[in-house]
Amino acid sequence: GAVVSQHPSRVICKSGTSVKIECRSLDFQATTMFWYRQFPKQSLMLMATSNEGSKATYEQGVEKDKFLINHASLTLSTLTVTSAHPEDSSFYICSAVDRVGSSSPLHFGNGTRLTVT
Amino acid sequence: KNEVEQSPQNLTAQEGEFITINCSYSVGISALHWLQQHPGGGIVSLFMLSSGKKKHGRLIATINIQEKHSSLHITASHPRDSAVYICAVTLWGGSQGNLIFGKGTKLSVKP
Repeated sequence: GAVVSQHPSRVICKSGTSVKIECRSLDFQATTMFWYRQFPKQSLMLMATSNEGSKATYEQGVEKDKFLINHASLTLSTLTVTSAHPEDSSFYICSAVDRVGSSSPLHFGNGTRLTVT
Repeated sequence: KNEVEQSPQNLTAQEGEFITINCSYSVGISALHWLQQHPGGGIVSLFMLSSGKKKHGRLIATINIQEKHSSLHITASHPRDSAVYICAVTLWGGSQGNLIFGKGTKLSVKP
């Protein structure tokens, strides 16, 4: 079946540094990818929708200058957390759609657990 | 009130038991998803449905659009079914991954 690879699975960084998370579709082309985050004991929440070759669409309350999304190819989207702070510590996960359309299944990565010290 | 409500929040079952997890939503949707989140965090999409019923192995998902309610059933439960099960909805007119998530049901199946 379709596979989405997310890397790294776990990262610890110091406050003020930037962290890049990659989301790759391994055996299909994903024109659209989605980024979510999940704080401890809370629901997953959509952060942004990433479209290949165009600017990402951010959800209300998500700072686009802090969470930089690049979707330069049909198989790769990256999320960069810039100038990370401890409150950015969270679980980040991506998903991808292999065909645009209401019946297309979602494929999720395995997530990245970010800890900012 | 959350737009997607799940119950129960936690569920412990003995191996072999029939399990039901419920999901209610209060918004117009184009699809409802049942997801399985493993302890490491990775998520697997179990079902995407917009009407009726779907079955895959020991898993059955149903949805009642009029009542805005869905159920996930697990027959002959097994310890490997232990995970968090999440109900999520795609809003009407939204793209598939534009989801509103429930808080999840943590299932533990004891041998």
